[in-house]
Amino acid sequence: GDSVTQMEGPVTLSEEAFLTINCTYTATGYPSLFWYVQYPGEGLQLLLKATKADDKGSNKGFEATYRKETTSFHLEKGSVQVSDSAVYFCAISGSARQLTFGSGTQLTVLP
Amino acid sequence: NAGVTQTPKFQVLKTGQSMTLQCAQDMNHEYMSWYRQDPGMGLRLIHYSVGAGITDQGEVPNGYNVSRSTTEDFPLRLLSAAPSQTSVYFCASSTGTGEAFFGQGTRLTVV
Repeated sequence: GDSVTQMEGPVTLSEEAFLTINCTYTATGYPSLFWYVQYPGEGLQLLLKATKADDKGSNKGFEATYRKETTSFHLEKGSVQVSDSAVYFCAISGSARQLTFGSGTQLTVLP
Repeated sequence: NAGVTQTPKFQVLKTGQSMTLQCAQDMNHEYMSWYRQDPGMGLRLIHYSVGAGITDQGEVPNGYNVSRSTTEDFPLRLLSAAPSQTSVYFCASSTGTGEAFFGQGTRLTVV
């Protein structure tokens, strides 16, 4: 079945540091790829998405590129802020739009 | 804009009790799903639906039941609660391209 492997956390960075969270997946066919973010006590929110190979999703300074050849969808941000502290989940979408998630990466940004 | 509404937000059950977690969406999405979130394990799919009258099992369906009589509602029933079902439960509805909108979650404790 489908699976997602995500970089283990927690990750602690200083403000304005560069962020990378690695994500690789195993799936049949060509799934859509997503990054979701969860702030404390809240549900998940879509951060960005890509629906086909070489697509780049971007939002709020975050970016990720759909790499079919390496089955990866790494999340990057050039300069993180304290407000980016949250848990980040990589996910792939199945044929019924159900999601398979990675285990999540806790990010803490220190001022 | 209500989006996805889950009730209750918190619940404590005794082992063996049954209950229904409610989920309603007002976006006219055909696709809906239930997930449970446990520490270090990301979100795991319990059940999903591709439209009224159609449901299927996800990764961890045992002990749970669902039905989908309308597009808007997708309740999750715990048949006989067990301590292993202590978790945070999220309902989601998804667009045709796979973008999921999540409720705020139900934190369930089974004692």
